[in-house]
Amino acid sequence: SQQGEEDPQALSIQEGENATMNCSYKTSINNLQWYRQNSGRGLVHLILIRSNEREKHSGRLRVTLDTSKKSSSLLITASRAADTASYFCATDVASDSWGKLQFGAGTQVVVTP
Amino acid sequence: DTGVSQDPRHKITKRGQNVTFRCDPISEHNRLYWYRQTLGQGPEFLTYFQNEAQLEKSRLLSDRFSAERPKGSFSTLEIQRTEQGDSAMYLCASSPVVHEQFFGPGTRLTVL
Repeated sequence: SQQGEEDPQALSIQEGENATMNCSYKTSINNLQWYRQNSGRGLVHLILIRSNEREKHSGRLRVTLDTSKKSSSLLITASRAADTASYFCATDVASDSWGKLQFGAGTQVVVTP
Repeated sequence: DTGVSQDPRHKITKRGQNVTFRCDPISEHNRLYWYRQTLGQGPEFLTYFQNEAQLEKSRLLSDRFSAERPKGSFSTLEIQRTEQGDSAMYLCASSPVVHEQFFGPGTRLTVL
């Protein structure tokens, strides 16, 4: 079974708009990571947020983490056509082996020019 | 290119045949992971190595699957007596101990 669940499953926006997607998980974590996967390409790490952090920024990306609600959000600001991809959250579960990631099913984002 | 590489990129095989995939991690990365991804789903953990030691295997990894990482460098994943349900993208990733993981392009397996 998958630990994380992303919401929404799919998102369609226009260039310049912001895209927000959420991830909920079930058990305590060491950290939560977001990855991007373009069509036909491998997964690329975007950002890692530790369990004792609440917010993190990287370029146009902003990630929040609420451990009390077991949820995280990824915000992409000023989206570009090149942001079209599937976005996955992955949790490093505290009760599990360090570094073993459990992925959600992903949010498919389409950015139209 | 010093990223994670996987070979082959595509493999088509007949049911019942054995297949072997190779992964070359980023040099100096101690950890190497194997995941399987089916269409519309996120990757599912299969197994991982710390140097040459295989530390954990998922219940998804039946006895038809075996993975090795001799000398703590490249790794191989072998599937014996392939079944149609084995059709998937097999992803390899490496990381420097506990950190973000760097993924290879994957090997797409099609079992006919």
